[in-house]
Amino acid sequence: NAGVTQTPKFRVLKTGQSMTLLCAQDMNHEYMYWYRQDPGMGLRLIHYSVGEGTTAKGEVPDGYNVSRLKKQNFLLGLESAAPSQTSVYFCASSVTSGRTDTQYFGPGTRLTVL
Amino acid sequence: SQQGEEDPQALSIQEGENATMNCSYKTSINNLQWYRQNSGRGLVHLILIRSNEREKHSGRLRVTLDTSKKSSSLLITASRAADTASYFCATDAWDGSARQLTFGSGTQLTVLP
Repeated sequence: NAGVTQTPKFRVLKTGQSMTLLCAQDMNHEYMYWYRQDPGMGLRLIHYSVGEGTTAKGEVPDGYNVSRLKKQNFLLGLESAAPSQTSVYFCASSVTSGRTDTQYFGPGTRLTVL
Repeated sequence: SQQGEEDPQALSIQEGENATMNCSYKTSINNLQWYRQNSGRGLVHLILIRSNEREKHSGRLRVTLDTSKKSSSLLITASRAADTASYFCATDAWDGSARQLTFGSGTQLTVLP
């Protein structure tokens, strides 16, 4: 099993450009998450999904959109990138969001917005 | 806002010494988890402790939880250079539709050979 994979690993955008980050998991997990990690800070939840076809907002959803058309994939979109979105983005998945939830993380995507 | 806050922010020790990191949180929890992040990598789950547990062991890791003080500690015994990483505590929280993990800002551990 590959676990959780993310595409691309690095990206540089100009302000106003758009892009989509792809997350894929092969563990048949129901829940998937997108986080961002800024220097000196922990992870902050952007959006999450509790199953195929569902999405919900996390702590910092503004400027991002997501889609979960297939159970194994969770896409994060930036419609008009801003320098404040320069960050490292992590995708994670879990079996459920129950009391003993453990999340499995991808390797991250380092995004720079100029 | 961060639910969990780790202390210290950075810790540097010699190989073979023990490393202790602390986590404080604000609201009631069902469980608390510790994760490790090597430089440039994703987070890896280390250990989970439930709210009705006080101590848990896994190899060289020992986690304690004091729900009355809303705090947890992670002890790494006989540290190795390979333990150099950032360590994050994560607490679960109910956001109205699902339980979510909220991460602290982490402790950067450096183990010197």
